[in-house]
Amino acid sequence: DAGVTQSPTHLIKTRGQQVTLRCSPKSGHDTVSWYQQALGQGPQFIFQYYEEEERQRGNFPDRFSGHQFPNYSSELNVNALLLGDSALYLCASSSFSGKYNEQFFGPGTRLTVL
Amino acid sequence: AQKITQTQPGMFVQEKEAVTLDCTYDTSDPSYGLFWYKQPSSGEMIFLIYQGSYDQQNATEGRYSLNFQKARKSANLVISASQLGDSAMYFCAMREGMNTGNQFYFGTGTSLTVIP
Repeated sequence: DAGVTQSPTHLIKTRGQQVTLRCSPKSGHDTVSWYQQALGQGPQFIFQYYEEEERQRGNFPDRFSGHQFPNYSSELNVNALLLGDSALYLCASSSFSGKYNEQFFGPGTRLTVL
Repeated sequence: AQKITQTQPGMFVQEKEAVTLDCTYDTSDPSYGLFWYKQPSSGEMIFLIYQGSYDQQNATEGRYSLNFQKARKSANLVISASQLGDSAMYFCAMREGMNTGNQFYFGTGTSLTVIP
């Protein structure tokens, strides 16, 4: 049973560019959440997708957008990259039928903005 | 105000000893869930243990137990018989409300080092 997968594992971009990160949820999960984890910090919630719609959103600007596909996979897009966007981006999947509805995390995408 | 506070940036423990990692939380919602995750250097967050706000008993999962003190709003993680593989970052998280799809709030983490 494959867990949450993310691609790419590492990415280097320059300021002003745009980036797309991808996530495939754990089998049987229908909800995908995205988090940003800056160095030395805990993950910060960006947004959550369910049934192809954004259900919740954290305190992130509109430069951060996302999408969920019919197969429950998801993309995170960041436009007009800033140096401060450098972080580990974590995708987490969950299901309402889970025992604790805990979120299962992927290995993350390390984004470096130069 | 911070939803989750972890006041120990780093902790050291001798192999085979027990260690307690502190976590306090802040919420006005009577219904919430508390989670602990382990993050090795590889980056992936690994779920360890869960405590619901209405659970009467402290949660236990193998060598992990959660010391839940509701009146103090604390949810400390106890790791018994520490192993070298326990060296990692540990994060406390909270989900508020009855909606199990609600977002997680994470603390800043505690770095645990197990000494041989």
